[in-house]
Amino acid sequence: EAGVTQFPSHSVIEKGQTVTLRCDPISGHDNLYWYRRVMGKEIKFLLHFVKESKQDESGMPNNRFLAERTGGTYSTLKVQPAELEDSGVYFCASSQDSRGFGAFFGQGTRLTVV
Amino acid sequence: ILNVEQSPQSLHVQEGDSTNFTCSFPSSNFYALHWYRWETAKSPEALFVMTLNGDEKKKGRISATLNTKEGYSYLYIKGSQPEDSATYLCAYAGGTSYGKLTFGQGTILTVHP
Repeated sequence: EAGVTQFPSHSVIEKGQTVTLRCDPISGHDNLYWYRRVMGKEIKFLLHFVKESKQDESGMPNNRFLAERTGGTYSTLKVQPAELEDSGVYFCASSQDSRGFGAFFGQGTRLTVV
Repeated sequence: ILNVEQSPQSLHVQEGDSTNFTCSFPSSNFYALHWYRWETAKSPEALFVMTLNGDEKKKGRISATLNTKEGYSYLYIKGSQPEDSATYLCAYAGGTSYGKLTFGQGTILTVHP
């Protein structure tokens, strides 16, 4: 069974540019989560999709971040325009359970904004 | 604001030593406590999910306990091996949003041969 896959694994962009991160969850997992770890700090929740709907987006830092999950399959997280403080590792996780039980994480996308 | 604290922040042990770390979390509105093992550039790997006060889980040389009344969990590694070197993360689920995990900063374990 394929795990959670994230693309790209690394991205280096200049301040002001746009970057789109992609997450392919495990097939059949309705619940998809985005998390972010900024250097030296804890992993923080960004948002939770149930199928194509946003269940909880309380962790999204500001309106420069846009997450979508078309058709309830893969998800994208777009940062536009990117700022220096957006640098970090962006994780995606998916689960069958809406309470997060058995959530599987992807390997993360390391984003560096210069 | 939910606070999940892990201690120590880092730990160096010799191969064969046994070790343990602590995760403290809010005791109110508790739903579940997760432990993950994370090696940089890899996916965090789920170790345990615990929900009941007094839960004890074991996986090989690694075990964990849970006290929801006082809000702490311990992770134990018996006979540490170099391949156990990783960051160990705990994550709390509770409050008003069960699907959302609140992570601690992690304990970085280094096992020296």
